[in-house]
Amino acid sequence: DAGITQSPRHKVTETGTPVTLRCHQTENHRYMYWYRQDPGHGLRLIHYSYGVKDTDKGEVSDGYSVSRSKTEDFLLTLESATSSQTSVYFCAIGGAGNSGNTIYFGEGSWLTVV
Amino acid sequence: AQSVAQPEDQVNVAEGNPLTVKCTYSVSGNPYLFWYVQYPNRGLQFLLKYITGDNLVKGSYGFEAEFNKSQTSFHLKKPSALVSDSALYFCAVRDEDDYKLSFGAGTTVTVRA
Repeated sequence: DAGITQSPRHKVTETGTPVTLRCHQTENHRYMYWYRQDPGHGLRLIHYSYGVKDTDKGEVSDGYSVSRSKTEDFLLTLESATSSQTSVYFCAIGGAGNSGNTIYFGEGSWLTVV
Repeated sequence: AQSVAQPEDQVNVAEGNPLTVKCTYSVSGNPYLFWYVQYPNRGLQFLLKYITGDNLVKGSYGFEAEFNKSQTSFHLKKPSALVSDSALYFCAVRDEDDYKLSFGAGTTVTVRA
């Protein structure tokens, strides 16, 4: 395992409520990512971080925000959840340094918005 | 911009037969290429990668992939498939100057006994 813990692993929430997903790593990687997985689309990048307080948008960032106050934690927030945000969310780390360019994934967070 | 195409949604093979999962890519600079496998309700597991050097790379569980620059392809292969190889396979690419991976839509492999 790559030392990545996602929480919660499963969540059901109502439309319009805020939701925060947490990613915790024990590998001290500089780079962290949030992806969503949907059938027919593979994985799409939501946001990524290249250091504490340094974040940037991915290809599907609308409706999402992130924060990284510590190297080990990367939070993904849905400010007002919509049904289109029902998905599986994966946190990932790596891409440089001691990962040898490889990005490693967590076990996923299944989110259902009803 | 970078992108990946996996032209087959599904691949079905008999156990013991060769397995090939196709991938083509587009990237502006030099490509870094990856294959991942996903089992049901699990995260993605890294299989192998091409960064530089020998065009044939070997990875976990007997898988290998061949980088073909002229055809912009990176097909995944296994000489003799196992039932346990049944899973969802993703090809991914990034530019050497970027850290963000772009993924294909995935190919579901079913190996029948």
